[in-house]
Amino acid sequence: GAVVSQHPSWVICKSGTSVKIECRSLDFQATTMFWYRQFPKQSLMLMATSNEGSKATYEQGVEKDKFLINHASLTLSTLTVTSAHPEDSSFYICSASAGYSQSETQYFGPGTRLLVL
Amino acid sequence: AQSVAQPEDQVNVAEGNPLTVKCTYSVSGNPYLFWYVQYPNRGLQFLLKYITGDNLVKGSYGFEAEFNKSQTSFHLKKPSALVSDSALYFCAVTPNSAGNMLTFGGGTRLMVKP
Repeated sequence: GAVVSQHPSWVICKSGTSVKIECRSLDFQATTMFWYRQFPKQSLMLMATSNEGSKATYEQGVEKDKFLINHASLTLSTLTVTSAHPEDSSFYICSASAGYSQSETQYFGPGTRLLVL
Repeated sequence: AQSVAQPEDQVNVAEGNPLTVKCTYSVSGNPYLFWYVQYPNRGLQFLLKYITGDNLVKGSYGFEAEFNKSQTSFHLKKPSALVSDSALYFCAVTPNSAGNMLTFGGGTRLMVKP
């Protein structure tokens, strides 16, 4: 149980284009979803937290107009990188949890590697 | 502010030997502590968590962790390492008043050699 999928797993795009990444909870309803970014050999950096049906809460320094997050249902959240540039190249990981209490476990997707040329 | 420290960037151990990956935390109130493992080019897999109760927590793949409040530590252990345990391990904490938002340690790479 507690499986989270991400699509696509790999994406290469030209600079200036937009890329959408999907995160799905396959066997549970995710009240809360999180989006992270991970640079090589580094820990995860939280970008934003999204609760179903409400606007995402972005961490300081993360441009909300650049990284659009939609959590339209209890099983799907999307991250759109708008007008992508080479510096946006990274490994993006989502996680989902069935609740938002302190003890609730986050289950992570397999990640999406984005390369912007 | 809450923080998690993993003092070792890398831990090397021979297959069959016990392993320990260290984690210390700093958080106000009662901490909820987690361990995750990450294999190359993959997301994180949940191993175990401590919420309350018994200080020794058993998790997936034979891993366990011991919560030590006086030392503010939550070290990950396994009695007998496997080569397939080689991966990146993250300790994390959810501090009070932040829901289940995780604060991660910097990660420790575990290398198990045959």
